[in-house]
Amino acid sequence: QKEVEQDPGPLSVPEGAIVSLNCTYSNSAFQYFMWYRQYSRKGPELLMYTYSSGNKEDGRFTAQVDKSSKYISLFIRDSQPSDSATYLCAMSDTGGFKTIFGAGTRLFVKA
Amino acid sequence: DVKVTQSSRYLVKRTGEKVFLECVQDMDHENMFWYRQDPGLGLRLIYFSYDVKMKEKGDIPEGYSVSREKKERFSLILESASTNQTSMYLCASSLWSGGHYEQYFGPGTRLTVT
Repeated sequence: QKEVEQDPGPLSVPEGAIVSLNCTYSNSAFQYFMWYRQYSRKGPELLMYTYSSGNKEDGRFTAQVDKSSKYISLFIRDSQPSDSATYLCAMSDTGGFKTIFGAGTRLFVKA
Repeated sequence: DVKVTQSSRYLVKRTGEKVFLECVQDMDHENMFWYRQDPGLGLRLIYFSYDVKMKEKGDIPEGYSVSREKKERFSLILESASTNQTSMYLCASSLWSGGHYEQYFGPGTRLTVT
């Protein structure tokens, strides 16, 4: 069993839709949870990070962590074509030294 | 707005060659990382460094070594390149300070070993 499972997609939505991206994990020691966005032929860009359980909001993006279910989510409201990218979830037990990444979900937002 | 740069975007090397990948960051970050990214496998950590001359193995260090002689520079060395090292290599730097976390990746080096 992989430590982190993430549906590879692709996920295709119309502009303005609410997007839900999810990951499950197996290691209960993870305390830090991150989401990255990666455009084609670019390095990943850190979007959001959270510590332990709960929600965090930043503009159109909301990250949710449910440690009891070992499940994390990223919601994108009012999705835009510029949101089309691969989204990677990641988690760490030591504050970012040894971080485990999901394989990424490819998102397409159609105008 | 340059933060993390990598010496090459594309490299083609032959089996058995010694390969150097260089990474430079301009944010004075203590921590630097080398990952490889392969389809379906996500990013996997090769090595990281939390200070000058300090290095720690990641999840897949075999066949690689690293060097950090200056704070801003972290080099990845493939001592004898093999075809299974064909991949996208990504360098990153990060900082944790007072609950604030920031991390930046370079644009990546696509290495092909023939």
